[in-house]
Amino acid sequence: SQQGEEDPQALSIQEGENATMNCSYKTSINNLQWYRQNSGRGLVHLILIRSNEREKHSGRLRVTLDTSKKSSSLLITASRAADTASYFCATDANTGGFKTIFGAGTRLFVKA
Amino acid sequence: GAGVSQSPSNKVTEKGKDVELRCDPISGHTALYWYRQSLGQGLEFLIYFQGNSAPDKSGLPSDRFSAERTGGSVSTLTIQRTQQEDSAVYLCASSLVGTGSYNEQFFGPGTRLTVL
Repeated sequence: SQQGEEDPQALSIQEGENATMNCSYKTSINNLQWYRQNSGRGLVHLILIRSNEREKHSGRLRVTLDTSKKSSSLLITASRAADTASYFCATDANTGGFKTIFGAGTRLFVKA
Repeated sequence: GAGVSQSPSNKVTEKGKDVELRCDPISGHTALYWYRQSLGQGLEFLIYFQGNSAPDKSGLPSDRFSAERTGGSVSTLTIQRTQQEDSAVYLCASSLVGTGSYNEQFFGPGTRLTVL
């Protein structure tokens, strides 16, 4: 079964606005990652948050993790047209290995 | 340095034919992953290799799919007797597995497979 699931499925905002995407998962994890995919650069790792962390920042990105609710959020502040992409959360299955399960993604469109 | 490379970038084949997709991971990365992505969908895990351990094949959709990794480096994903539902982009990723559970994956550009 799918481990990570994002919502919303699609999001359209104006440049300069903030974008928030959510991810839910089902089993315990060691860490959760967010990736971005666009036609120009393919799939790129954005940020990783470990299960014992609650919040992490990287530039305009802020990720939160709530292990009690098995959920994470990705906030992109002051969005730019170049942020237009699909965003995926990915979790390891905490089975002792490194199998990673990706969600279906949120398609973000930032209008200039 | 060089990233993950995949070949071919595009493959068009007829139903029933076999295809081989190749992945060259980043040098020194011990873990290698194959995923499949259908149009507008997320990534579907297929298989991963970790060092000399037995691969995790739990994501392979049928016995028509197989993969090997020779010498701990290059990997080949083989699909036998291709079906139209096999049409997708096949993505390969590698990661440097160190201590702890950090697992950033570096992705190749993918192979777009079209089965007619």
